[in-house]
Amino acid sequence: KAGVTQTPRYLIKTRGQQVTLSCSPISGHRSVSWYQQTPGQGLQFLFEYFSETQRNKGNFPGRFSGRQFSNSRSEMNVSTLELGDSALYLCASSLLSSYNEQFFGPGTRLTVL
Amino acid sequence: EDKVVQSPLSLVVHEGDTVTLNCSYEVTNFRSLLWYKQEKKAPTFLFMLTSSGIEKKSGRLSSILDKKELFSILNITATQTGDSAIYLCAVEASGNEKLTFGTGTRLTIIP
Repeated sequence: KAGVTQTPRYLIKTRGQQVTLSCSPISGHRSVSWYQQTPGQGLQFLFEYFSETQRNKGNFPGRFSGRQFSNSRSEMNVSTLELGDSALYLCASSLLSSYNEQFFGPGTRLTVL
Repeated sequence: EDKVVQSPLSLVVHEGDTVTLNCSYEVTNFRSLLWYKQEKKAPTFLFMLTSSGIEKKSGRLSSILDKKELFSILNITATQTGDSAIYLCAVEASGNEKLTFGTGTRLTIIP
């Protein structure tokens, strides 16, 4: 069974640009959660999607948005990038919304110059 | 605001030693506490704890939760170099079902 995949793995952008990251969950998983990981703040929850609906949202500005498609694949968008958005963005999928069955992808390393 | 604090921030021990990692939390409507191991990129799930005093064990790793004192510990006995990683603690609150993570403990095992 293929694991969670994320694309791209690495990305370099400049301030003010926007970026879209993609996450393909494990086949059959309907929940996708997104996290931002930085050395200073650690792992922070961004949002969770289940069956194309955003169910939970963390404390991030509106520049961070996401969506989920009917095949459970999810995208995360960040508009008007800031230097502080440089981070590892992780997504995780689970069958339902059970965190002990949550599997993480390898992450997308975003660098904002 | 929910808060998770892990200590120590980093730890260096020799192979064969036993280590104890700490996680304390302040959260409204606690639901569960989870431990993850992060070696390179993706965290991998270790334990989920919901009840006080019941030890969860997997090989050389074990964990226990104290809901009265609001903390959990993760023990690793007879450490090996493969245990070198960042260990993350996260708390789930009911009502919003989001995870709040601590900043992690970086464990380094010296051969």
